[in-house]
Amino acid sequence: GENVEQHPSTLSVQEGDSAVIKCTYSDSASNYFPWYKQELGKRPQLIIDIRSNVGEKKDQRIAVTLNKTAKHFSLHITETQPEDSAVYFCAASIGSDYQLIWGAGTKLIIKP
Amino acid sequence: DAGVIQSPRHEVTEMGQEVTLRCKPISGHDYLFWYRQTMMRGLELLIYFNNNVPIDDSGMPEDRFSAKMPNASFSTLKIQPSEPRDSAVYFCASSKAGVGRYEQYFGPGTRLTVT
Repeated sequence: GENVEQHPSTLSVQEGDSAVIKCTYSDSASNYFPWYKQELGKRPQLIIDIRSNVGEKKDQRIAVTLNKTAKHFSLHITETQPEDSAVYFCAASIGSDYQLIWGAGTKLIIKP
Repeated sequence: DAGVIQSPRHEVTEMGQEVTLRCKPISGHDYLFWYRQTMMRGLELLIYFNNNVPIDDSGMPEDRFSAKMPNASFSTLKIQPSEPRDSAVYFCASSKAGVGRYEQYFGPGTRLTVT
């Protein structure tokens, strides 16, 4: 079946450094790729998304890049801060449906 | 809008008991998703509805699980009988259909503990 692979499962970076999380997907018809952030004990919340007709999207310190040929997309966080510590999930739409298939999550740890 | 509402927020029950989780989606949203989250298995889609109709229930682990959506503003997920391995956080999420619009809004979740 369709799947999304996410790496790494845990990422520890020094405060102020950059963090990069990568995902690959299998459904060539996927055209929507969101990233969600889940803080400890909270619900997942959308932080940024990208559609297949765009290669890159930025929102302040976060950015997402998409390579449709290679079927992978990445989340980039610059100038990391303690409040960036959380679990980050990538996802991909399945065909034209509104269902999302989710990555396993990356626990991001920001070291002071 | 108050966002997606789930109740109860915490549920502790004994093995064999029936458990009912409730969800109120955001008004105007026509898709509703039920997820289960555990450390071992991550975020799993159990079932989703479109305009109150179940579309895909292939993620429902077994016959002990059932879900209904009697109207656009209410859905339930029932586990009968419950087992310790059902312990997890259950999230409900809703979204609104539109061209290229897939954003899902999550509720606060129900933490279920089965002893």
